[in-house]
Amino acid sequence: DTAVSQTPKYLVTQMGNDKSIKCEQNLGHDTMYWYKQDSKKFLKIMFSYNNKELIINETVPNRFSPKSPDKAHLNLHINSLELGDSAVYFCASSPGTGNEQYFGPGTRLTVT
Amino acid sequence: GQQLNQSPQSMFIQEGEDVSMNCTSSSIFNTWLWYKQDPGEGPVLLIALYKAGELTSNGRLTAQFGITRKDSFLNISASIPSDVGIYFCAGRLIAGGGADGLTFGKGTHLIIQP
Repeated sequence: DTAVSQTPKYLVTQMGNDKSIKCEQNLGHDTMYWYKQDSKKFLKIMFSYNNKELIINETVPNRFSPKSPDKAHLNLHINSLELGDSAVYFCASSPGTGNEQYFGPGTRLTVT
Repeated sequence: GQQLNQSPQSMFIQEGEDVSMNCTSSSIFNTWLWYKQDPGEGPVLLIALYKAGELTSNGRLTAQFGITRKDSFLNISASIPSDVGIYFCAGRLIAGGGADGLTFGKGTHLIIQP
């Protein structure tokens, strides 16, 4: 199936740990994104990558580092996890900048 | 950052009723998108709008891009139980920082009473 996929679906970890979330899209899209959805369901852009280059970084702590090995993958690495990092993280992709975006199923991160 | 004011925050309706929700902003957007999110899932794109005044339908859903470029609405006709979920508007700014990411409204929770 053509889609945006993320792993893991659920991630429970302790404060101070380092974790990664992986995202892959097989839609042939050029641009990929990471969004954070908080407990009130508010979605906010974190990062955007276009052809493996970071093009936005919306005031995200530098503990969060996106890595794109190729244009089909955009992984999110988080260092020194904090309680406030608990949220659902969505990966998305689009054919180019300014086009409609397609979202993955989300990764629910719980920091204890 | 830019904000989209989405209303209503929640709706309790009877099956078969029509639904209307909208988003407004003080900023001009060049793209409006409407998404639906089911519990435990990612947002699914319903309708994309690219031109001011554009009216687009997708089955029982109809959305319009406001003439001023500062608003959009989504209508659902003859609601059915599977319409339950959270509906998000999202816009992309014409200019400004972070223009390539979408700005999302806070969502409209649609609840259908049997």
